[in-house]
Amino acid sequence: QSALTQPPSASGTPGQSVTISCTGTSSDVGGYNYVSWYQQHPGKAPKLMIYDVTKRPSGVPDRFSGSKSGNTASLTVSGLQAEDEADYYCSSYAGRKTVVFGGGTKLTVL
Amino acid sequence: QVQLQESGPGLVKPSETLSLTCTVSDDSISSYYWGWIRQPPGKGLEWIGYIYYSVTTYYNPSLKSRVTISVDTSKNQFFLNLSSVTAADTAVYYCARVFGYNDPRVFDVWGQGTMVTVAS
Repeated sequence: QSALTQPPSASGTPGQSVTISCTGTSSDVGGYNYVSWYQQHPGKAPKLMIYDVTKRPSGVPDRFSGSKSGNTASLTVSGLQAEDEADYYCSSYAGRKTVVFGGGTKLTVL
Repeated sequence: QVQLQESGPGLVKPSETLSLTCTVSDDSISSYYWGWIRQPPGKGLEWIGYIYYSVTTYYNPSLKSRVTISVDTSKNQFFLNLSSVTAADTAVYYCARVFGYNDPRVFDVWGQGTMVTVAS
């Protein structure tokens, strides 16, 4: 069970769209439509932003969207705002009641 | 909205057992999976394991030999024991509610986290 691969960093200016990728294998990301994305501000607990690839929990702005193609999932943040600056982690169900996380991406709003 | 609160020692000696408690604010502990996730300083998240209704447990294969998760439904609490700890187990430990009965996969409510340092 290896960690999912995310780029260490991403950036954009206010109002822009930014996409963060999350690459796994056919045993996790590619095998299930069960990818989640979490936002984590410094010193805080992670917050669920997207689950089951495309679903948004109540209260999460629709500026956040998710997608998947093959073994790679993506999180897109549209209309970037200063408060979106945070670390973002993907996770995927990996079968047999196991979960694997990505290494995290630091999103900077320039 | 349910709230979770971790508690336990902030310092554990090498080779000893790390023990943490997560208290759930309502009576839903019998209705969900409940899990533990950790985050070493400056690093990413690592799934440790989860439990359902004090009967079924699932663990990260890399930690399975050292981890035990249990639950006390009468107290709305679940627990993490990690044995034979080393400095590599130093991390913030989070408890979380897990969504998905057949395929538990989404950590939708998190505790604030508790820092545990392994040092002599």
